[in-house]
Amino acid sequence: DAGVTQSPTHLIKTRGQQVTLRCSPKSGHDTVSWYQQALGQGPQFIFQYYEEEERQRGNFPDRFSGHQFPNYSSELNVNALLLGDSALYLCASSLWGQGTGQPQHFGDGTRLSIL
Amino acid sequence: AQSVAQPEDQVNVAEGNPLTVKCTYSVSGNPYLFWYVQYPNRGLQFLLKYITGDNLVKGSYGFEAEFNKSQTSFHLKKPSALVSDSALYFCAVRVAYSGAGSYQLTFGKGTKLSVIP
Repeated sequence: DAGVTQSPTHLIKTRGQQVTLRCSPKSGHDTVSWYQQALGQGPQFIFQYYEEEERQRGNFPDRFSGHQFPNYSSELNVNALLLGDSALYLCASSLWGQGTGQPQHFGDGTRLSIL
Repeated sequence: AQSVAQPEDQVNVAEGNPLTVKCTYSVSGNPYLFWYVQYPNRGLQFLLKYITGDNLVKGSYGFEAEFNKSQTSFHLKKPSALVSDSALYFCAVRVAYSGAGSYQLTFGKGTKLSVIP
C-alpha cells in the first residue's frame, strides 16, 4: 500500500523563477493538503484540494497556486520565487468527510532552496 | 484563532528514563489533538490522537499522551526512552472547517528530543 509520494526530493531555484512540486496521495485518499515548513518551524498550512477544487487556503499570497487532477494527485506551483520561499514543502493526504479526525498522512517532502 | 504552543525547544533525557514533551493549545470548541514525529530529512509520521473519551491516549512505539481540558494541555509521554526516539516532535490541533468536509492542522514549532545513551 503506497503512502504519500512527493517529487522531486530536492530542488534549487533562483529568485524570480517558478517551480512546480508534485504529490500523489495515499491509496484510497481523495484530499490533498500542502504545508510549508521553514527551517526550525512547524508546518504551516498553504491550501487543500478536493474534487479538483481549492477548498481551504491559509495565509499565503497568490503566488502560491495549486491543482488537483482526476486521479487525486496534486501540484503546488510557486511563481516569482523569493528567498523566503526556501523551505520543506509537505504534502498530506486524507479522506474527505472524515469527521472522526482521522490523521492526515504526510509525504517526505520536497526541499526547495532559493539562491 | 487556534494555536499550539510547545514551550521547550529541546528536551534531553537519559536512555531508560521517562520522557515528557509538553504541548498546550487554544481552540474554539472541542479540540482534536495530534502528535507527529519527524526524523531527519523525512516527513511527519503520525503517533497518536485525541478526539474524545479517555484522557490517556496510547499510540505508536510505546508513546502515550494525556489530555487535560482544564489546563488545555496534551503532553506526550513515554515510560522508558530509547536512543531511537531522538527526533523532532510536533503537536497539532485540528482547525474545524465550516462545511466540515475536511480540516487543516495548526502545528506547534516543534520540540527536539535527544535521548542520551
